[in-house]
Amino acid sequence: GNSVTQMEGPVTLSEEAFLTINCTYTATGYPSLFWYVQYPGEGLQLLLKATKADDKGSNKGFEATYRKETTSFHLEKGSVQVSDSAVYFCALYNTNAGKSTFGDGTTLTVKP
Amino acid sequence: DTAVSQTPKYLVTQMGNDKSIKCEQNLGHDTMYWYKQDSKKFLKIMFSYNNKELIINETVPNRFSPKSPDKAHLNLHINSLELGDSAVYFCASSQEGLAGSDTQYFGPGTRLTVL
Repeated sequence: GNSVTQMEGPVTLSEEAFLTINCTYTATGYPSLFWYVQYPGEGLQLLLKATKADDKGSNKGFEATYRKETTSFHLEKGSVQVSDSAVYFCALYNTNAGKSTFGDGTTLTVKP
Repeated sequence: DTAVSQTPKYLVTQMGNDKSIKCEQNLGHDTMYWYKQDSKKFLKIMFSYNNKELIINETVPNRFSPKSPDKAHLNLHINSLELGDSAVYFCASSQEGLAGSDTQYFGPGTRLTVL
């Protein structure tokens, strides 16, 4: 079946630090990969996505590259801000399953 | 305009009661979902409807019954509420595009507290 494993949290960083949140997946075929962000008290919203191998998704300074050879989709940002404090979810969508599979979420706290 | 809306935002009730949560999307999507998020932020899919037809029914107690009167609405009714039902419930919608990417659009959530 499909599964997503992401780095356990919580992660605490100082402002302007470099961020990496690891995500690996197991899936048959060619899934689409996503990062969603959940700010406190809100629903999840799409941060970025990639639909095929070697694609790079980017948004708001965040980036992730679809690596089929390592089945990974790690999230990176060069310089985090306090406003990036949120829960980040890695996810995949596989047409075979007809649904999205989410990781367990990683809580990021950025301190000034 | 809110793309996916849910009511109520907060719901506090006693064990054994029956309650409903409503969801509406104005994105014109064909597929709608209910998710449950526990206190550790783990997200689990409960149900999925496509064009008013149930297509995914995960292992959920039959006290939970979804209803889709039309493809823009998906309601969740819960009978005989239990303490373990306390969680945040999210509605979501999606429209599978040509690439099958299926981006999900989430509502703001309903925080259910069972006392």
